Amino acid sequence: GQSLEQPSEVTAVEGAIVQINCTYQTSGFYGLSWYQQHDGGAPTFLSYNGLDGLEETGRFSSFLSRSDSYGYLLLQELQMKDSASYFCAVSHSGGYQKVTFGTGTKLQVIP
Amino acid sequence: ETGVTQSPTHLIKTRGQQVTLRCSSQSGHNTVSWYQQALGQGPQFIFQYYREEENGRGNFPPRFSGLQFPNYSSELNVNALELDDSALYLCASSLDPRGNEQYFGPGTRLTVT
Repeated sequence: GQSLEQPSEVTAVEGAIVQINCTYQTSGFYGLSWYQQHDGGAPTFLSYNGLDGLEETGRFSSFLSRSDSYGYLLLQELQMKDSASYFCAVSHSGGYQKVTFGTGTKLQVIP
Repeated sequence: ETGVTQSPTHLIKTRGQQVTLRCSSQSGHNTVSWYQQALGQGPQFIFQYYREEENGRGNFPPRFSGLQFPNYSSELNVNALELDDSALYLCASSLDPRGNEQYFGPGTRLTVT
């Protein structure tokens, strides 16, 4: 089956940098995506990595190592509005299921 | 270009009843996936439709069924509702049936009493 692990909670200071790690086990791996979800809201797509390396989108970057089954989301210049839950998700061809989400990391940004 | 929309926003049903939730995908997106999200959990993949055919399914019983229509709209039907079906139901559309980059609707909050 598919499984993902990410920390349940992270606290960081406004203006700082935070890294949220994600390790996964899956078959037929296509890629790793990251989503942000504020309380009461819907997930919002942040980034996708299909190949090894770093993808940068503004203050957010995402990294993937397929050989290590590992990725991370890097948030720079943290702002209070970044307080939210962050989910990694693998898209895969293993079994008949297409996408598996992690349990989420709740990020709290403090002044 | 309009985003993903869902209806209704909230719904209260009684155990044993049936419910239909609706989603309108982003224009041009031929893939729609449905998810169930319990409080404090990640979205759980229910199924995916690609070009009006089921293209993937998670670990959900057959009483969860769906349809996708040519106009980019779709439905999630749940029969014989159980208390544990209470959750946020999300649909997400994408260009790619591999589900790499998905755009979510605001969700339908279903409460089963």
